[in-house]
Amino acid sequence: GQSLEQPSEVTAVEGAIVQINCTYQTSGFYGLSWYQQHDGGAPTFLSYNALDGLEETGRFSSFLSRSDSYGYLLLQELQMKDSASYFCAVMDTDKLIFGTGTRLQVFP
Amino acid sequence: SQTIHQWPATLVQPVGSPLSLECTVEGTSNPNLYWYRQAAGRGLQLLFYSIGIDQISSEVPQNLSASRPQDRQFILSSKKLLLSDSGFYLCAWSVLRRVTEAFFGQGTRLTVV
Repeated sequence: GQSLEQPSEVTAVEGAIVQINCTYQTSGFYGLSWYQQHDGGAPTFLSYNALDGLEETGRFSSFLSRSDSYGYLLLQELQMKDSASYFCAVMDTDKLIFGTGTRLQVFP
Repeated sequence: SQTIHQWPATLVQPVGSPLSLECTVEGTSNPNLYWYRQAAGRGLQLLFYSIGIDQISSEVPQNLSASRPQDRQFILSSKKLLLSDSGFYLCAWSVLRRVTEAFFGQGTRLTVV
């Protein structure tokens, strides 16, 4: 079967660094993406890894290890507005499969 | 630029009534199209995906169906809604087989009463 597992919830304070992990098991793999979703809103794209290693986009970085079927999203210099749900997603052939989601709460 | 339109934003329907949600994409050709459902506080469940006109794949057996009558139009339907069909429905598109980013519509919050 297909599965993408994430921790259900993470909490941190403003200015801190937080890492959200994702382990996946899919029949096909065309890359790992990360999305942010605020309450009541639609998911928005954050980053994408097709190859192993670290991709940096401003305060957000994403890492992929294809041999371990593992990736993570690293959020630095946390701000209150970063409180949201974060999803990893895998493109399996033509299907975009999402993880279980991690709710991040940032406290002052 | 590419845009995706999904309507309506909210919908309250009685049990047993039909459903039709429409999604259209502008500014791109031959996109992959997706329908997802999200229960409150939960993840995105893939319902249907399509790689072309009249090419629909279903991920979860249920009383929902999808159609793609035109390249950039994706429709989610039901003949008779169930209470369990309540949820947040999201349409999305991506570049065929080269996904670096998927774009989502605003979503439809469906409540079946």
